[in-house]
Amino acid sequence: AQSVTQLGSHVSVSEGALVLLRCNYSSSVPPYLFWYVQYPNQGLQLLLKYTSAATLVKGINGFEAEFKKSETSFHLTKPSAHMSDAAEYFCAVNSGYSTLTFGKGTMLLVSP
Amino acid sequence: EAGVAQSPRYKIIEKRQSVAFWCNPISGHATLYWYQQILGQGPKLLIQFQNNGVVDDSQLPKDRFSAERLKGVDSTLKIQPAKLEDSAVYLCASSPQQGALPGELFFGEGSRLTVL
Repeated sequence: AQSVTQLGSHVSVSEGALVLLRCNYSSSVPPYLFWYVQYPNQGLQLLLKYTSAATLVKGINGFEAEFKKSETSFHLTKPSAHMSDAAEYFCAVNSGYSTLTFGKGTMLLVSP
Repeated sequence: EAGVAQSPRYKIIEKRQSVAFWCNPISGHATLYWYQQILGQGPKLLIQFQNNGVVDDSQLPKDRFSAERLKGVDSTLKIQPAKLEDSAVYLCASSPQQGALPGELFFGEGSRLTVL
């Protein structure tokens, strides 16, 4: 079985501050891990993906995530938040099953 | 390259009525998915097609939901009769058969359903 837990349904940061969105996964086999972003009234867009090639993964818009097997985590970070980063972020896992399992999402709020 | 197209974007119906959503995937993408996204939750897979065959429909409420993908291209998701709890955004996604990881999906903008 596979599952994803995202800690915090809402995260608030100031513009220019560090962004940290937490994701922990459960998988019986080595997983593929993903972060998707959803802007208001839009579909989901792939932000970055972990494929076992490197534990630190860089994505679009300055985001990156680090795969930590010992902690079963795949947290998403960005050194400096922009107003345009305000959106909902979803962590997802695929353990070789045919389906992708999403977390419940974390809404990122960025204040000036 | 054109993205995944969905229509209608918004639909409001009364309970017990029927509704249909249409999806046209990215050209050449063999796999098509329908997800249900209820407010405050992550997307949940309803059905997955590989070409025009069903791969996984284990979470599709088959007493009221149906989906088809004729000719292995576009797809229709139908709800009949609708219940209040079906209010959600219905997301269509596609992925190519080759060159993409399991889970690397391309999403449409979604169809928002409100059931009154």
